[in-house]
Order: sequence, then structure tokens, then C-alpha cells
Amino acid sequence: EIVMTQSPATLSMSPGERATLSCRASQSVGSNLAWYQQKPGQSPRLLIYGASTRATGVPVRFSGSGSGTEFTLVISSLQSEDFAIYYCQQYNHWPPLTFGGGTKVEIK
Amino acid sequence: QVQLEQSGAAVRKPGSSVRVSCTASGRTDNRYGFNWVRQAPGQGLEWMGRVIPMFKKPIYGREFQGRLTITADESSNTVYMDLNSLRSDDTAVYFCAKEDWTFRFFDTWGPGTPVTVSS
Repeated sequence: EIVMTQSPATLSMSPGERATLSCRASQSVGSNLAWYQQKPGQSPRLLIYGASTRATGVPVRFSGSGSGTEFTLVISSLQSEDFAIYYCQQYNHWPPLTFGGGTKVEIK
Repeated sequence: QVQLEQSGAAVRKPGSSVRVSCTASGRTDNRYGFNWVRQAPGQGLEWMGRVIPMFKKPIYGREFQGRLTITADESSNTVYMDLNSLRSDDTAVYFCAKEDWTFRFFDTWGPGTPVTVSS
């Protein structure tokens, strides 16, 4: 099973700042990595797939990068609606499909 | 676009079972993979298993083997998740999620079904 580790667990940021979230895989997953955003009481929303491709309707301030075992999600300028929990998910080796533990982006 | 609708919240006693349904509408296709992902209170996302309705053969996560059954009814575009021998740590929100056409990431999620296991 591939273990996905996200850091930091919590990111305290102010609106307008740049947020950098990390995701590490226990072994290479190539570019088969997705990012999701989840707000309280809602289901997750796909942001990024293929490590760097934005899903339909996702603002350009969200960007993903990386390959192999190290991945990054950057939110270039935080908007109020971006404060949420972000999860990475690998889909290279399965079953099982595995998620990271999440990074909570909170208002400072 | 595909939309997913799930059955309502459930409360069960330990040792019992629960069935959660997920009905697809819109641009449905029985070749899409449908997955079940759960989220315990305050916790992260945990993949449980998946099925492609056309092929019917489900795949389960190891920790759910023997307790989980995922089935699909093509005629009603509905996928079912049956979990038995419920324990208190099965208390969670259960999501169905549709896979991308080619890869195993989830481009569409259902609203979630809260399941509470309590005596």
C-alpha cells in the first residue's frame, strides 16, 4: 500500500498570501496524483489531476507540480473561499487508492 | 455531466448492517467506475472499494474484505454499498464518487450519507 503524507497539517495564512502545500508518496506514483478541496459539511471537490492539470472550473490561482514521490499544491493568492482542507490522492498503484491525511488552510 | 444522489442518513446498532445507495443521473455510462469513500468524524478520506456497473466485479480495500459488498443495478443507474458487522468506528459519512474515464481519480462526488453506529 502506498502511504501518502501531507504537510503541514495546518497552514495559518492571511487572505492574499501564497500557500504552499506538500504531499509525499512512500514510493513513486509517477504523475498519478490528484488534489481535492473539502469545505465543512461538503463533499470533496476535484482541483488537480495528473499532478498539474486543473479540473474544469478551477481558478488559475491553483497550481500543482511534482512527480514521483514529491508533489506541491500552490494557491497563489488566497481568497476567502479557499480556506478549507486539501487532500492529495494517488491512483498509480491500487488497490487500495490512498489519500493523504489532509492539510487544513485556516485564516490567520 | 453526471450528478450523484445518495440515500439518507442511517442509525444502526453494533453488529447490524447498513445499505447506502448512490444513483447517477445526467450523462451516465455503465462503464464508469463508482467508488465508495468514507470519512469518520474529524478525520480524513478512506477508500473502501469500487465497481464498474457494466462488469459488476467489485474490488474492495483489504480492511473491508468480508464485511463490504458493492453492487450495481444498471437499469436504475444505482450503486449500492452494504457494510455488515457494524462497529462504532464505522460511524462516518459515506461518499460515492465517480471515477474519471481513464484514471482512478474522482471527478464527481455524491453529497455523502452519514451513518451512525451506536447502541
